[in-house]
Amino acid sequence: EAGVAQSPRYKIIEKRQSVAFWCNPISGHATLYWYQQILGQGPKLLIQFQNNGVVDDSQLPKDRFSAERLKGVDSTLKIQPAKLEDSAVYLCASSSPRRTPFGNTIYFGEGSWLTVV
Amino acid sequence: GENVEQHPSTLSVQEGDSAVIKCTYSDSASNYFPWYKQELGKGPQLIIDIRSNVGEKKDQRIAVTLNKTAKHFSLHITETQPEDSAVYFCAASPYNFNKFYFGSGTKLNVKP
Repeated sequence: EAGVAQSPRYKIIEKRQSVAFWCNPISGHATLYWYQQILGQGPKLLIQFQNNGVVDDSQLPKDRFSAERLKGVDSTLKIQPAKLEDSAVYLCASSSPRRTPFGNTIYFGEGSWLTVV
Repeated sequence: GENVEQHPSTLSVQEGDSAVIKCTYSDSASNYFPWYKQELGKGPQLIIDIRSNVGEKKDQRIAVTLNKTAKHFSLHITETQPEDSAVYFCAASPYNFNKFYFGSGTKLNVKP
């Protein structure tokens, strides 16, 4: 089974420029997450999709970040304009629909490393 | 919302020794607790998880224990090897939500 795919793996941009990250979740996984991981910290949820609808985007800085999941499969996360503090790893994760009272396992991609200079 | 605290932030052990990482959570509705291992330059990988209907789970050299009353859970790695060196994250997921709250991570260094 193929894992969560992300691209690009690495990106260096200047502040105020824009960048987009792409994610393809595990086949059949209806829930897709974007996390931001700053060096030395745990992942922080930016946005959660269920199919193509947004479940939670309360931590997404909407003045500069946007995300979409057209057709309920692939997703794109965009940052425009980028700030120095956006330097981080952007992790995409996916999980299958909840079928039990307990949480479902989420699987992460390798991450997209962003450096803003 | 849920708050997960993880200790220690760094842990250095000699090869062959045991390592223990502890996490506490705040929301009594949390009922699923996965642990992830993250190697340099890679995404987090699930290594073991536990659901609130059990108190302990083992998988070869790795075990996780859960104390629902005290709201804490721990990762135990026995007979550590240099390849166990990585950052480990705990997480908690509340009942009825497909959300995950992560600890701040523990950097484990296994010295040969």
